[in-house]
Amino acid sequence: RKEVEQDPGPFNVPEGATVAFNCTYSNSASQSFFWYRQDCRKEPKLLMSVYSSGNEDGRFTAQLNRASQYISLLIRDSKLSDSATYLCVVNPYNQAGTALIFGKGTTLSVSS
Amino acid sequence: DTAVSQTPKYLVTQMGNDKSIKCEQNLGHDTMYWYKQDSKKFLKIMFSYNNKELIINETVPNRFSPKSPDKAHLNLHINSLELGDSAVYFCASSQVPGKGVNTEAFFGQGTRLTVV
Repeated sequence: RKEVEQDPGPFNVPEGATVAFNCTYSNSASQSFFWYRQDCRKEPKLLMSVYSSGNEDGRFTAQLNRASQYISLLIRDSKLSDSATYLCVVNPYNQAGTALIFGKGTTLSVSS
Repeated sequence: DTAVSQTPKYLVTQMGNDKSIKCEQNLGHDTMYWYKQDSKKFLKIMFSYNNKELIINETVPNRFSPKSPDKAHLNLHINSLELGDSAVYFCASSQVPGKGVNTEAFFGQGTRLTVV
C-alpha cells in the first residue's frame, strides 16, 4: 500500500461547482496532515493544515478521520483560479528531520 | 525577501558532467530537505538535514551528495550526471516539531535540471 494515496483526477468542473478530494494514508501513527497546492511549473505551497476537529478557511474545508486514515478537502464555489494540483501531505513522525510524505496529487481544472 | 531560495532555476548540462544546486533559507528553520519531482510530478524525498546533521538519506545514487555548511544552507552536488537525473529538484525547510509548532514545509522555486 502506498504511503499516501490520492485519486489523480483530473477533475474538470465548471465555475461555482463544489468539488471534493480524498486521500488515504498508510501509517496510523502519522502526526500532522496538510493540503498543499501546486501550480504548473511552480513550487508546492501550503493551502491548509488539517486538524482532527476539521477546519475551514473561506471556501475550503479540510477533514481528518484518524480511525479510517482518511483526509478530505472540499472546495465550494470553485473559481478559475482554483485550477491547480492539490497534494495530500502527511508527516509520519513528530521528530526533527522527518520529511513530509506527498501524495501524487489530484489535478483540478475549473472552466467558465 | 524570499524565504527559501535555490539557484540556479534552470540547469541544462551534458551527461557525465558534475553540477551543484544551492539552497538557502532565511526562516530560521533547523530542518532542510531536498525533494525530487519527476516527469510524472511525484514529489519524493531525497535527503533531510536537521541542524547540519543528515537525518534522511533515501535510496538515492551516491552520485548525489548533499552538504550543509550551516543550518541555513543545504547544497546538492551531483556527479556524473545521467539522462535519468532530469527532473525538478526542490529545496525546502521546516521547523523542528514541538508543542504548538507547525511543521509545514516551505519550498524553494525549484531547479529544473535537464541532462542532454
